[in-house]
Order: sequence, then structure tokens, then C-alpha cells
Amino acid sequence: GQQVMQIPQYQHVQEGEDFTTYCNSSTTLSNIQWYKQRPGGHPVFLIQLVKSGEVKKQKRLTFQFGEAKKNSSLHITATQTTDVGTYFCAGRGTGFQKLVFGTGTRLLVSP
Amino acid sequence: NAGVTQTPKFQVLKTGQSMTLQCAQDMNHNSMYWYRQDPGMGLRLIYYSASEGTTDKGEVPNGYNVSRLNKREFSLRLESAAPSQTSVYFCASSEYAGSLYGYTFGSGTRLTVV
Repeated sequence: GQQVMQIPQYQHVQEGEDFTTYCNSSTTLSNIQWYKQRPGGHPVFLIQLVKSGEVKKQKRLTFQFGEAKKNSSLHITATQTTDVGTYFCAGRGTGFQKLVFGTGTRLLVSP
Repeated sequence: NAGVTQTPKFQVLKTGQSMTLQCAQDMNHNSMYWYRQDPGMGLRLIYYSASEGTTDKGEVPNGYNVSRLNKREFSLRLESAAPSQTSVYFCASSEYAGSLYGYTFGSGTRLTVV
């Protein structure tokens, strides 16, 4: 079945440093979504990417969808303590209706 | 603007006990989902309901049953709880199963089976 892996599993940065998490699917995706989960909270939808090579920005967050539509990345510029949490990608395969969530990357930001 | 409401928020069960987790959404969404979250495992789909009147198994359905009571409500039942079912359970909804819009999650139920 479809699998979605994320790396790294965990990253600890100093406030102001950049952060990137990578998402890789075993199959071609029709679209990919990103979610953020604060400690003790629930996942919150951030964005969706649909087109090959698509790049979207939300303030300090930059999301990319690979040309082959099998990978994606989330880059945070100049992290802040409010960025702390776990970031999940979730991919939907071609022909599938269900999202498959990645394993998540836990981000810790020290002031 | 409640979104997705889950009850209870916390629960401790003894092995072999049964319980039902409740989920309701007020966004007129057609599709609803139950996930479990375990450390290092991400979110794994237990069951989903693409529309009222339909339910389907996800990745990890064993030991669970679901009921789509109406368009708003989707419950998850543990018939005979086992320690392996200790987890955080999230209910989610979306406009429809293949929707290009994100899922809306409830705040979760933290279940411990002893």
C-alpha cells in the first residue's frame, strides 16, 4: 500500500535558524497536504499542493511539491518559538480517496 | 463554529471493557474519519465514512467498529478493549472524500487501557 515517510523525525533549532522537513511517497500523489500539531493539540490544516513543481508561501513557511509528485518539503525561515510542534504531510494517491499521513517531524525551537 | 466535537476527552478502561467514542461535526461535511495516533507512528486511519450510510475500513480496523448515525455523527466502538488500543483518537471531517480541502480534526480522546 501507499506509504509516506518524513525526515527528520525530530529537529531542535535555535530561534532564528531555518528548518526543513521532507516528505517522500512510495507512489505518485495527486495532491499533498500539510498539517501542524501543537504539543497536546490536534492537527490543523496548513496548505494543499496539487500541481507538479508547485511552490506556495505562507509568511515564513514555503511549501514545495516535487516535479514527479512523489515528494514535498516544508521550509520555515527564521524559526520562532511559536513554530514548535509536529508537522505532518499527508498524501492522496492517484485514484485513492483517502489521505495517508506521514510519520511527522517534531520541531523544537529554543529561545 | 464548534467544528468537530469529540467526547470524552479522557478515558481509562480496564482490559475487556467496552466503550464508544462520540464525534459530531457542524460543518455539513459529507465525509468523516477516525484516526489513532501513537508515538512515532503518525496518524493511522481506523475507519472512514465517505458519505452518510457508508463506512469502510482503513489501515488498522481490527478491534473497532463504527456507526455513521447521521450526517453529523460518527461513532467509534471498542467492543473489548486491549492495552494495545491505548492511544490518542482523533475524529476528522471533510467536505467530501476526495475533497481538495483539508480535514478538520476534533481535539482528540486520550484513551488508556490498563
